[in-house]
Amino acid sequence: QQPVQSPQAVILREGEDAVINCSSSKALYSVHWYRQKHGEAPVFLMILLKGGEQKGHEKISASFNEKKQQSSLYLTASQLSYSGTYFCGTEPSSSNTGKLIFGQGTTLQVKP
Amino acid sequence: GAVVSQHPSWVICKSGTSVKIECRSLDFQATTMFWYRQFPKQSLMLMATSNEGSKATYEQGVEKDKFLINHASLTLSTLTVTSAHPEDSSFYICSARLITQYFGPGTRLTVL
Repeated sequence: QQPVQSPQAVILREGEDAVINCSSSKALYSVHWYRQKHGEAPVFLMILLKGGEQKGHEKISASFNEKKQQSSLYLTASQLSYSGTYFCGTEPSSSNTGKLIFGQGTTLQVKP
Repeated sequence: GAVVSQHPSWVICKSGTSVKIECRSLDFQATTMFWYRQFPKQSLMLMATSNEGSKATYEQGVEKDKFLINHASLTLSTLTVTSAHPEDSSFYICSARLITQYFGPGTRLTVL
């Protein structure tokens, strides 16, 4: 079953922060975050594994609460380059195929 | 590292013809690759899982006789759209598994 992302869309000014949420109805082994720009393939941002971890890379970080089957992506001090559609890909605990089920996406637009 | 290429990047063909799309992992070996289809402003829809040396696993509703997948080596998977029709026009993206999934740049198929 497809994870639910919220919000569906967000518009920011440069320098503002944003949070994108991903919620699944299934027990998860991992959550993978990607950013896709128009006409291009998704680019891998980070992976969070079962264990309730939090990760970060510069101004983009994420958390994973396996009990709640939720993950959140945090974008701080947003830059114009952050614009795009963000997808979470979830890997169910019951799966050992590496298959990811992607959310419907969150469109982020950063304005000057 | 973890670069995936896809060829061609776009193709236009006549209805009834077959089209082959190649997906290569350039700097790593991938026993598992995935093929997705994406419609404008929509999420990634998994079509099939391609495993090196074995038959592909298709998702429900995907015609395996129409979308032929061959994973001939640890760095190459091909998708052949047979007897293409206008409704097959879409953006096809492959990914290769290396802990997470790394995506190719995609192939835009237009069937006239």
